[in-house]
Amino acid sequence: GAGVSQSPSNKVTEKGKDVELRCDPISGHTALYWYRQSLGQGLEFLIYFQGNSAPDKSGLPSDRFSAERTGGSVSTLTIQRTQQEDSAVYLCASSLYASGGQETQYFGPGTRLLVL
Amino acid sequence: AQKVTQAQTEISVVEKEDVTLDCVYETRDTTYYLFWYKQPPSGELVFLIRRNSFDEQNEISGRYSWNFQKSTSSFNFTITASQVVDSAVYFCALSEYGSEKLVFGKGTKLTVNP
Repeated sequence: GAGVSQSPSNKVTEKGKDVELRCDPISGHTALYWYRQSLGQGLEFLIYFQGNSAPDKSGLPSDRFSAERTGGSVSTLTIQRTQQEDSAVYLCASSLYASGGQETQYFGPGTRLLVL
Repeated sequence: AQKVTQAQTEISVVEKEDVTLDCVYETRDTTYYLFWYKQPPSGELVFLIRRNSFDEQNEISGRYSWNFQKSTSSFNFTITASQVVDSAVYFCALSEYGSEKLVFGKGTKLTVNP
């Protein structure tokens, strides 16, 4: 597609349930990033992929969060046993490649997650 | 540690006014990259500009201009003759060489009134 796409656009879940968020990067982009945007914390980096490898997972807030990328394209962010503090907008971005910070990251529309 | 400060939380102007959004950054690296993104009410972050630390030349793109000053660690953004469609939250961000992570400021909400 022309831009980064994310699904679902909105997700409401109950505390304790698992959720999966999906990101489809711009065609040809090898690097993929996940961020979280919440009122209290602003925009926070979670993890990035170069190809199918995740060299930097430093932003994942707990071991309930995991992400994978297969085929160098689509990525899934999984949150297990969701908590109310996980409520946020989860943003995905992609860039041509990971090159030490200089590449522009292009963002998708986000998934708004609400944990009741 | 890297940090980006956008001291202006909200700004409100009347259409056709000029407005400057401030961004101050902190980094110990000599090589780094600065970005501005726009987030309209629809929610998607839209890329506006990228500068590297070795290029202090100011840039103009239509009604938008950016003033990068290493001496004051600032990368300010000016909109000339603002329009209602400029209403959005604007984020300044920094990445250090070797890190793929973007560190964002808290954002400045700009409202342009007709």
